[in-house]
Parts: sequence; structure tokens; C-alpha cells
Amino acid sequence: EAAVTQSPRNKVAVTGGKVTLSCNQTNNHNNMYWYRQDTGHGLRLIHYSYGAGSTEKGDIPDGYKASRPSQENFSLILELATPSQTSVYFCASGVPGQVNSDYTFGSGTRLLVI
Amino acid sequence: GEKVEQHESTLSVREGDSAVINCTYTDTASSYFPWYKQEAGKSLHFVIDIRSNVDRKQSQRLIVLLDKKAKRFSLHITATQPEDSAIYFCAASTANTNKVVFGTGTRLQVLP
Repeated sequence: EAAVTQSPRNKVAVTGGKVTLSCNQTNNHNNMYWYRQDTGHGLRLIHYSYGAGSTEKGDIPDGYKASRPSQENFSLILELATPSQTSVYFCASGVPGQVNSDYTFGSGTRLLVI
Repeated sequence: GEKVEQHESTLSVREGDSAVINCTYTDTASSYFPWYKQEAGKSLHFVIDIRSNVDRKQSQRLIVLLDKKAKRFSLHITATQPEDSAIYFCAASTANTNKVVFGTGTRLQVLP
């Protein structure tokens, strides 16, 4: 079954440290997305990608970088983590509303920056 | 860019009653409106959607209404059950962006 897998599930990082969140999809979708979920804000788009080698800025890209080395993998990188980046991060793949390619979400990564 | 406002942050209903969650959007170019459900501690999954070429869609106990003039859409859950308790997100997307803009979520509690 097609799936989006995120790792790690939980992460504790220190302020100023580097954090990499990973996402792997077996859907063969071109599009992949990174969101963060915070109470009162819903899901906000950080970065997205249209395919291997492509990364685009979403609505809140500051403090984050993204990498799409292959069709299957899309990483979110926090070079200098800050407490304000404590959140739950979701990866998704697909195109909203497209038959056989609809949005699929990963299980999420809970990040705590101390 | 598009903004989606979800009007109810929390909603409590008695089991068997109906629940209604309302959303508004700003971009007249938005043409696709999905709804997602997030159960406690879990990820989001798709529940129902509506496209701008219709104003009503039903899937079992779920009904979505779309009023393009008012830029408003709503999710109606009829005959609610305890397993309907979750956070529901509305969203909007335009055909040419491949991006989804989410509302802030409504926590629905179905009381026995």
C-alpha cells in the first residue's frame, strides 16, 4: 500500500543545534510538502517540491531548508533550531483532488527544542 | 494569497445530533475544497471534498455545502457517533497551484 513515512517520530533538540526531519513516500508522487501544526494556526506550509532536485518556499520558510534528493525522499532541515520551532511536523505527498494521486500525510514528527 | 477561516474552534454535540462546521475562503479562484479528520495523536486523513462545479455533495453521514457567492463552505455530520470525535480541518486549493491552504481546525466532541 502506498505510504508516507516520517522519521523520527519524536525528537528533542537543543537550541542552536541542527535537526533533520526525513520523509519517504512510496506513492511515486511528484509533489511533496512539509507542514507544521500548531494550536490556533492549523497546518502551515513550510516548503514543497515538484520533484527530485526541486524545492520551493511555502508560506513560512524562514529558519528552514528543504532537500529533495530523489522522488521518494524529502527532508526538512533546521540548521539552527530555536524553541519557536517546537511543533508537530507533517509531510505529505500528492496533488490535492487528483484521482490516484490525492494528498497522503505521514504520521508526523513531534519536535521539542529546548 | 488564499486564506481559509474556520469559524468554530471547538464544537460539542450530543450523540445522534448533527454537527456543522463552517469555513470561509478569500480567493475566488479556489476550486477544490477538501476536509480532513485528525483523531487524537494521529495524522490527518481525507474524509470528503467538493469541487466548485457543484454546491452539494454527500457521502454517507457527511454532507458538504458550497456557496461560491459567499465564499463559504460547510461540513455537516448527521447522526453523530462517538468515533466522529476528532479535529476537522477544512482546506481550499486552486487548480493551478497544487497547494492546499488549511483552516485552523475544529475540535468536535460527541457527548454520550
